[in-house]
Amino acid sequence: NAGVMQNPRHLVRRRGQEARLRCSPMKGHSHVYWYRQLPEEGLKFMVYLQKENIIDESGMPKERFSAEFPKEGPSILRIQQVVRGDSAAYFCASSPPNPFSGETEAFFGQGTRLTVV
Amino acid sequence: GDSVTQMEGPVTLSEEAFLTINCTYTATGYPSLFWYVQYPGEGLQLLLKATKADDKGSNKGFEATYRKETTSFHLEKGSVQVSDSAVYFCALSLNQAGTALIFGKGTTLSVSS
Repeated sequence: NAGVMQNPRHLVRRRGQEARLRCSPMKGHSHVYWYRQLPEEGLKFMVYLQKENIIDESGMPKERFSAEFPKEGPSILRIQQVVRGDSAAYFCASSPPNPFSGETEAFFGQGTRLTVV
Repeated sequence: GDSVTQMEGPVTLSEEAFLTINCTYTATGYPSLFWYVQYPGEGLQLLLKATKADDKGSNKGFEATYRKETTSFHLEKGSVQVSDSAVYFCALSLNQAGTALIFGKGTTLSVSS
């Protein structure tokens, strides 16, 4: 059973371009969480999705950022018109059909390191 | 608001030394507490957890006890190895279905032989 797969592992974008980060949850998992890790910071929650639904996007910046988790295929975190401040590591986690509640484990991917030049 | 504070790194130790990484939290209700480890180039892995006061989580020689009175969950290991070199994250969950983990900033541990 493959773990949570994120790609690409490293992504370089010029200012103003779009960045698309992909996350394939573990088999059988239907809950996906995206986190961002800025330099010298901990992981900050961005968004929580179930298949075809955004459950909690309270950590998402109001502009330029969007996320989806379609019925088929990976979850996508999309950043439009990237700026240097978007440079960070972006991590995805997934949990089983019961949403993560402290009793169930969330499994993390290896992250995507986005560099905006 | 809810938060996790852990000691600043990096922590540099010699092999077989004793390790403590401090973690304190602020939370409403009764959170679950976690330590995650991130080895170089890899994602986060759950190291141990405790779901209620006075519980002790343990794994791979690491231990942490949920202390409600001091709102702490310090990570300890009696004898570290070079292979323990990694970044360690303390985290909490508010135990509400679907809510995300709240992380500390991480502490880098470097163990030399």
